[in-house]
Parts: sequence; C-alpha cells; structure tokens
Amino acid sequence: DVKVTQSSRYLVKRTGEKVFLECVQDMDHENMFWYRQDPGLGLRLIYFSYDVKMKEKGDIPEGYSVSREKKERFSLILESASTNQTSMYLCASRRGGQRTEAFFGQGTRLTVV
Amino acid sequence: AQSVSQHNHHVILSEAASLELGCNYSYGGTVNLFWYVQYPGQHLQLLLKYFSGDPLVKGIKGFEAEFIKSKFSFNLRKPSVQWSDTAEYFCAASRTYKYIFGTGTRLKVLA
Repeated sequence: DVKVTQSSRYLVKRTGEKVFLECVQDMDHENMFWYRQDPGLGLRLIYFSYDVKMKEKGDIPEGYSVSREKKERFSLILESASTNQTSMYLCASRRGGQRTEAFFGQGTRLTVV
Repeated sequence: AQSVSQHNHHVILSEAASLELGCNYSYGGTVNLFWYVQYPGQHLQLLLKYFSGDPLVKGIKGFEAEFIKSKFSFNLRKPSVQWSDTAEYFCAASRTYKYIFGTGTRLKVLA
C-alpha cells in the first residue's frame, strides 16, 4: 500500500513563528501536493511539485513556500504564521501523468494562536 | 480558470434512499475526473475515476458515476445508501499536473 506520512497530526504555533510541515511518501511518486481543508471551502491547492526541485503555485500560495530536495519528501513552510492559517493541511502524492489517483496523508491540524 | 463545483453542500438521507451528488467542472478539452470520500477521522480515499471510454463508471462500495460531456458533469450515485456511507464526498479533476477539488458534500445517513 502507498503510504503518505505527515510528520504531525496536531500542531499549535504562535503568530509570527516559522512553521515546517513535513510529508514523506514511500512509492517513488513524481507528483506531490499540499492542500488546506477548511469547512465549506473544500480542498484548496497551495503548492504542488511535479519533480524534485520543481514546484508550482496552486490557487492560494500567499504566505507559504515549499521545498522538495528529495523525491520522497515535500515540505510546506509558513514563513510567518498568522491566525488565518489555522487549518487542516493535507499532503498528497501520485505517480506522474494525468491519469493517476492521488494518495493522501492523515492531515496536520495546525492552530496558530 | 479551472474549477470544480459541487452544489450540494449538505445532504441528509434515510437508509435505503437513493443518492445523487452533483459535480460540474469548467475545464475545456480532455479531463480526468475522480470522486473521493473522507469518512470521519480518516484520510481521503478514492471511490472511482473516469479517464475515457464508457461514461458510466463503477467504483467501490456500490458507488457509480456518470460522465456527461455536454453538461460538463460527473455526478455520483448510489441506489441504496447505508448508515456507513456517512462521510464527506469530494469531486476532483485533473488535466495537467494540477489536481483540483470541489468544495465537498457532507452526507449524513440516518439509521
């Protein structure tokens, strides 16, 4: 089974802190994604990466950056956390190509106080 | 801009009722379509997918979906729901690297 592992299930951070969310997949997938999930808004794409060191902005990249130095790991960085970034963050991965399904991690619930 | 719309935000049904959840997408040209489900406390998992061919696709747990190109729709159906189908359902579309999701539909099935 494909496994997508997010480093934390729950995080509480203070406003202004730099926050790192880590995601690791074990199936050699080319594509990786970061979404945030908010009630009534569904999943919104923050950033995605289609290969190592390659990244593209999604629909809501403001306030976030990403890093993909190794194929299996995709990190989401909140440069200076703000309360409006309190959310559930989901990482996903899939094989390269359009006709592939995405596999999701369990999510990280981040609270910024 | 590419988008996926789900117009039913909350649906409440009794067990054995039939289900249809709407999904519309705004992509032009060829598009790949998916339905995912998120059971309470669990991660998202794939229900079914459509790439090409027969527009009626069958997925897991008795779910099916119909692709209607002229309506840009990919509606999810199940003839008879069970209490265990209580979950949030997401429609998604992919054309290039991007994978776009709708806003989700929360389904509650009453025993």
